[in-house]
Amino acid sequence: QVQLQVSGPGLVKPSETLSLTCIVSGASIRNYDWSWIRQPPGKGLEWIGYISYSGNTNYNPSLKSRVTTSVDTSKNQISLKLTSVTAADTAVYYCARGSHGPDSWGQGVLVTVSS
Amino acid sequence: DIQMTQSPSSLSASVADRVTIACRASQSINININWFQQKPGKAPKLLIHAASSLESGVPSRFSGSGSGTDFTLTISSLQPEDFATYYCQQSYTIPYTFGQGTKLEIK
Repeated sequence: QVQLQVSGPGLVKPSETLSLTCIVSGASIRNYDWSWIRQPPGKGLEWIGYISYSGNTNYNPSLKSRVTTSVDTSKNQISLKLTSVTAADTAVYYCARGSHGPDSWGQGVLVTVSS
Repeated sequence: DIQMTQSPSSLSASVADRVTIACRASQSINININWFQQKPGKAPKLLIHAASSLESGVPSRFSGSGSGTDFTLTISSLQPEDFATYYCQQSYTIPYTFGQGTKLEIK
């Protein structure tokens, strides 16, 4: 059974970079695409983008200039970086397996942007 | 971006009721729609992909239908564990947008 564990700082200062890692167990990174989705507190879901195991990416145009994702097949993990964060980036960040209908999700991590 | 509009935004129902949640896309998305269930403090769970394909392990009381712009998620007989928020998502074109959610509450 696949498990996804998201980790990273829970607090990031405005204008700094948010960095998260998603460690995958029970499945090989090489066999799937991997998505990032976020959810501001009390609000709906926003698709951030996805990355294939080979490193091909697709991002939400609203975030594209600030988002980078990467894959580390040796560690079976994916990473997300979001630059120049503001309070509007405060959200629970999820990683998930698959791109066209993510079928397994990590537990999510709340990242708060505040000074 | 394709806008996904769910209705209703909230719904009160009783155990054993039949419930239908609608999702309308701002343009045709063929059958490229997914349905998720989210309980408080938990990650979303994929219920249905490609409009009507039930995910493994999801009870058969859940079903999906539709194509083009109009879609529905139906729960044939509500169980206590079904009270949650439901989201549709189009995966036809980037960005893959979600509906605003439908909160299903106990009457």
